[in-house]
Amino acid sequence: EAQVTQNPRYLITVTGKKLTVTCSQNMNHEYMSWYRQDPGLGLRQIYYSMNVEVTDKGDVPEGYKVSRKEKRNFPLILESPSPNQTSLYFCASSLSGALVPEAFFGQGTRLTVV
Amino acid sequence: AQSVAQPEDQVNVAEGNPLTVKCTYSVSGNPYLFWYVQYPNRGLQFLLKYITGDNLVKGSYGFEAEFNKSQTSFHLKKPSALVSDSALYFCAVRDFNYGQNFVFGPGTRLSVLP
Repeated sequence: EAQVTQNPRYLITVTGKKLTVTCSQNMNHEYMSWYRQDPGLGLRQIYYSMNVEVTDKGDVPEGYKVSRKEKRNFPLILESPSPNQTSLYFCASSLSGALVPEAFFGQGTRLTVV
Repeated sequence: AQSVAQPEDQVNVAEGNPLTVKCTYSVSGNPYLFWYVQYPNRGLQFLLKYITGDNLVKGSYGFEAEFNKSQTSFHLKKPSALVSDSALYFCAVRDFNYGQNFVFGPGTRLSVLP
């Protein structure tokens, strides 16, 4: 089944403790992206990647890191999480071409930083 | 720069009545437009897309959307609303002349009242 898989689905952590949220897709998509969703603010892009080893900042990159060493994986790293990073996070992937341009989303990771 | 506006935070409609969720966009090139739906505790699900051709596009669950180039709008519609349509709806644009990135609107919460 074609899908985007995020792990974990739920995470409670303490301020300053490094964490990684994994994202994997099995559709051979070039484009991958991370978003955070907060009440009243909609979806805000954190980082995106057009292909392996090609990443770029989105609208709210501060406090986050990403890597794209393999096509299928795009982990989101919080080196020193803070309470303002408490949010619902989504990973998405898409083909780069215009033939099938829509994005496919993971189920989300609800992160709480205390 | 690309942008998407959804002028209504909330839309209420009675079951069986037609519904419209509004979206306007701004892009530098030809727009690729999308609607996504988010149910509670779920990721975003793709509903429909406009690439080119017929201005009225049909999608999942009986939804359709009308592309209007002169008004730069892409309103989501359904002839007869169901209570199960109650969810958060996002409009998005992808401009292949501007880095292929997605830009999402802030979302509109649809409540269908029995």
